[in-house]
Amino acid sequence: GAVVSQHPSWVICKSGTSVKIECRSLDFQATTMFWYRQFPKQSLMLMATSNEGSKATYEQGVEKDKFLINHASLTLSTLTVTSAHPEDSSFYICSARDLGLAGEVNEQFFGPGTRLTVL
Amino acid sequence: QKEVEQNSGPLSVPEGAIASLNCTYSDRGSQSFFWYRQYSGKSPELIMSIYSNGDKEDGRFTAQLNKASQYVSLLIRDSQPSDSATYLCAGGDSGGYQKVTFGIGTKLQVIP
Repeated sequence: GAVVSQHPSWVICKSGTSVKIECRSLDFQATTMFWYRQFPKQSLMLMATSNEGSKATYEQGVEKDKFLINHASLTLSTLTVTSAHPEDSSFYICSARDLGLAGEVNEQFFGPGTRLTVL
Repeated sequence: QKEVEQNSGPLSVPEGAIASLNCTYSDRGSQSFFWYRQYSGKSPELIMSIYSNGDKEDGRFTAQLNKASQYVSLLIRDSQPSDSATYLCAGGDSGGYQKVTFGIGTKLQVIP
């Protein structure tokens, strides 16, 4: 149980283009999903909290107009990197919390990640 | 600023030994703590969660929590080369927003 998928697993794009990353919870419902970014040899940095049916909550310093998040259903959240630039190249990882695990309030399960390279 | 601190390592242990990974956190209100394992180029995988003071054992892994000292640890018994990875400590935020704060991770190397 608690399987999270991401698509694509890697993407290479030209500077100025937009890239959409999908995050799906496969065997559970997730009211809340999280989007992280990880640069080489650094820890996970939370970008935003994605809530089903409402606007995402962005962390300080993360541009909401650049990183568009949509959480249209209990099993799908998308992150769109708009007008991508080389400095946006990173490992983007989503996670989801299983509503069914009532006792484990903050337990998150991660997707396999998407490696974005912007040329 | 809520922080979770770990020594980045690397921590080298011989195969079969006990690996001891440590973590401290600044958010006194935090009630939940997690250890994740991350292999190079991969996403984190949940190993253990702990919510109460004391020890919690799962196979070769034991998590220890001391809320008074704001200290969390992970012991790996009978370490195997396949345990070589970065171990991330995380603490649930006390604000109730379900977020967790991650440490930088400790790189563990198990030497055959």
